[in-house]
Amino acid sequence: NAGVMQNPRHLVRRRGQEARLRCSPMKGHSHVYWYRQLPEEGLKFMVYLQKENIIDESGMPKERFSAEFPKEGPSILRIQQVVRGDSAAYFCASSPDFSTDTQYFGPGTRLTVL
Amino acid sequence: QQQVKQSPQSLIVQKGGISIINCAYENTAFDYFPWYQQFPGKGPALLIAIRPDVSEKKEGRFTISFNKSAKQFSLHIMDSQPGDSATYFCAAVTYQTGANNLFFGTGTRLTVIP
Repeated sequence: NAGVMQNPRHLVRRRGQEARLRCSPMKGHSHVYWYRQLPEEGLKFMVYLQKENIIDESGMPKERFSAEFPKEGPSILRIQQVVRGDSAAYFCASSPDFSTDTQYFGPGTRLTVL
Repeated sequence: QQQVKQSPQSLIVQKGGISIINCAYENTAFDYFPWYQQFPGKGPALLIAIRPDVSEKKEGRFTISFNKSAKQFSLHIMDSQPGDSATYFCAAVTYQTGANNLFFGTGTRLTVIP
């Protein structure tokens, strides 16, 4: 059973460009979470999605950031007009349902904004 | 604000020694407390977890001690090995609000010296 997959693993963007990060949850998992990890810091929650629904986006910056989890295909975290402060590791986690405690994390996408 | 406070920031232990990492929280609604282990360039992996209705949980060399009244919990790694060298994150989650996002501590970088 493949784990959570994220791509790309590394992404370099210039200021003002768009970044698209993809997350494929574990097979059978319908809940996806996105977290951001700044250098030397812990992970911070950004958004929680189920298929076609955003459940909680309280950790997401109100501008430039958006997330989706369509009926078919991976979850996408989109960052528009990236700035240097967006440079971080972005991790996706998945769980099979709300009642399951364990979230399984992917390897992350390391975004560098030049 | 930081919902889960973690200390120390870094820890150096001799092989065979005991590593102890401490965490504290304020939100009494938290009802699940996992510990994650993260190696450089990898995503966090669940190590061990506890619910607040028990005071201790042991899995192999890893033990969580939980003090509900003090709102503190700690990870003990017995007989620490060089392969345990990693960053450890405590976390907490509540299922009472309809969202189950993890609140992470800031991490402890453990180095086990051979």
